[in-house]
Amino acid sequence: AQKVTQAQTEISVVEKEDVTLDCVYETRDTTYYLFWYKQPPSGELVFLIRRNSFDEQNEISGRYSWNFQKSTSSFNFTITASQVVDSAVYFCALSEDSGNTPLVFGKGTRLSVIA
Amino acid sequence: GAGVSQTPSNKVTEKGKYVELRCDPISGHTALYWYRQSLGQGPEFLIYFQGTGAADDSGLPNDRFFAVRPEGSVSTLKIQRTERGDSAVYLCASSSSLNTGELFFGEGSRLTVL
Repeated sequence: AQKVTQAQTEISVVEKEDVTLDCVYETRDTTYYLFWYKQPPSGELVFLIRRNSFDEQNEISGRYSWNFQKSTSSFNFTITASQVVDSAVYFCALSEDSGNTPLVFGKGTRLSVIA
Repeated sequence: GAGVSQTPSNKVTEKGKYVELRCDPISGHTALYWYRQSLGQGPEFLIYFQGTGAADDSGLPNDRFFAVRPEGSVSTLKIQRTERGDSAVYLCASSSSLNTGELFFGEGSRLTVL
């Protein structure tokens, strides 16, 4: 069975601080995809990144970076120099097999960035 | 617009009533998903369409829930004999076969059952 755990329910940081959101996953498949989505107050989930299980290279996109470690089944997300606009709920998700199977989401981490 | 459109955005109904929630996906997207999100929780999978057929309906909680996509585009989620526990935000998402796993979500339909 597949499962995604986001142990941090809520995080508050002051603007310009760095913050890391944790994600731990469980799956029996050797082929799977991991995702992060952002859900701002408007409610619409926005795709941030997809990573397949064979690619453990870390990725950086602007102030965002992701650290994928199969040894610890983790796919953590770091925001550098956080901004108020980063305030949202962030979800980690897993899709087994080819990636077209339905996503299983974690419970999310609510990030509040205070000016 | 070019995004996923869901109507109504808000629906208040009484226990026992029937409701329909509509999703208009991004044009050309073959895959369509319904998720349900309760307060403080992540989206929970309900059903997934590939074209007109339901490829996976394992997430539907019981036989009061049903969804259709007769022409492979717009989908309707139907809930019979609503219960208070059905109150949630119902999210629709679509994707192209070329964007493996990258889902484009609508803003959701908030259902409140009194």
